[in-house]
Amino acid sequence: AQTVTQSQPEMSVQEAETVTLSCTYDTSESDYYLFWYKQPPSRQMILVIRQEAYKQQNATENRFSVNFQKAAKSFSLKISDSQLGDAAMYFCAYRRTSYDKVIFGPGTSLSVIP
Amino acid sequence: DVKVTQSSRYLVKRTGEKVFLECVQDMDHENMFWYRQDPGLGLRLIYFSYDVKMKEKGDIPEGYSVSREKKERFSLILESASTNQTSMYLCASSPGTGVPEQYFGPGTRLTVT
Repeated sequence: AQTVTQSQPEMSVQEAETVTLSCTYDTSESDYYLFWYKQPPSRQMILVIRQEAYKQQNATENRFSVNFQKAAKSFSLKISDSQLGDAAMYFCAYRRTSYDKVIFGPGTSLSVIP
Repeated sequence: DVKVTQSSRYLVKRTGEKVFLECVQDMDHENMFWYRQDPGLGLRLIYFSYDVKMKEKGDIPEGYSVSREKKERFSLILESASTNQTSMYLCASSPGTGVPEQYFGPGTRLTVT
């Protein structure tokens, strides 16, 4: 069965600095999707970034980028130039196809220190 | 923009009551999901539906049922609420064909006393 692990329950970063959140997953599939979702305090969960496993190039969305290591089954999120609004719970997620259920990790709570 | 709405942000119910949580999406999405979110456990899938009147059990379906009579609406039913069902409930939808990301509602914080 597929599993998603986030080994850092909590992390903190100074404003304007860079932070990396870790995620590992387990699957026997060769093609799948990986996501990072952000849930700010008392606010709606939103998609941060998506990676297709068949793509070798790491996905990037403005200050957010991923380091996708398929052989190692690792999918980390790098946040550059951290801002106060980046403070949130971050969930790593796996989905085999666009019709399958999604497997979420337990989340990492990120604090941003002014 | 995709909009996923949930009928209540906060709900307080008594043990043994039948509870209905409603979720509506406005983008003609095929898939809809119900999760519960508890600290340290992440999101756990209760049920999902990949088409009208179709449903599949997730990881923790016990004590819950669902209904999807129309494509835009997915209801979660707690047949007889218990205190261990006190939690945050999140609804999500996703388009289905070739688009894998999910869009979430604001959540319903349910307290069962």
